[in-house]
Amino acid sequence: DTGVSQDPRHKITKRGQNVTFRCDPISEHNRLYWYRQTLGQGPEFLTYFQNEAQLEKSRLLSDRFSAERPKGSFSTLEIQRTEQGDSAMYLCASSTHEQGGIKSPLHFGNGTRLTVT
Amino acid sequence: GQNIDQPTEMTATEGAIVQINCTYQTSGFNGLFWYQQHAGEAPTFLSYNVLDGLEEKGRFSSFLSRSKGYSYLLLKELQMKDSASYLCAVRGRMDSSYKLIFGSGTRLLVRP
Repeated sequence: DTGVSQDPRHKITKRGQNVTFRCDPISEHNRLYWYRQTLGQGPEFLTYFQNEAQLEKSRLLSDRFSAERPKGSFSTLEIQRTEQGDSAMYLCASSTHEQGGIKSPLHFGNGTRLTVT
Repeated sequence: GQNIDQPTEMTATEGAIVQINCTYQTSGFNGLFWYQQHAGEAPTFLSYNVLDGLEEKGRFSSFLSRSKGYSYLLLKELQMKDSASYLCAVRGRMDSSYKLIFGSGTRLLVRP
């Protein structure tokens, strides 16, 4: 169990550029989440995948954001036409469906810190 | 609506005991989680409560009162490495995602 890994750890981009982040969840976990965290705040839910299906999206997720999990393993989060307000830590988490999943904690990666200049 | 409140900052002394409170108002309730997050690192899972009462895990304990919408995390024998943010999170109404809703976190500073 190598944990949840995210790449890159840091990304600096200019306003208007597109960026893509990758998340590799814990291998046996079928549930995958993306969260966003800004300084001094807790993580905010963005979207959720069960296997390859994207089953829930937050209203925070504007049309410029898109996420995929094509084979039910790794996931990507793309932000198009970045804005300065997109600067944040983007966290990926995974969890298991054991016991119906209700007691399962989320296991987080170290995140991708995005800075939009 | 959903609301989770925690104090913003707390300071305590090495070797002491500290209690971090969390109150919540959520649409439904399916468990409360505490996480620890060191600066620049991932949140790591500490504890889970779904029934009223105290859950103890080494130096850390977590308490839940569902009728009061209240939880606390108790840290005993504080060590310098316990300086971190502590996040309270609730699994609310039963939806497909089982997502967690987080509070803003409590930044704990442990002093020598």
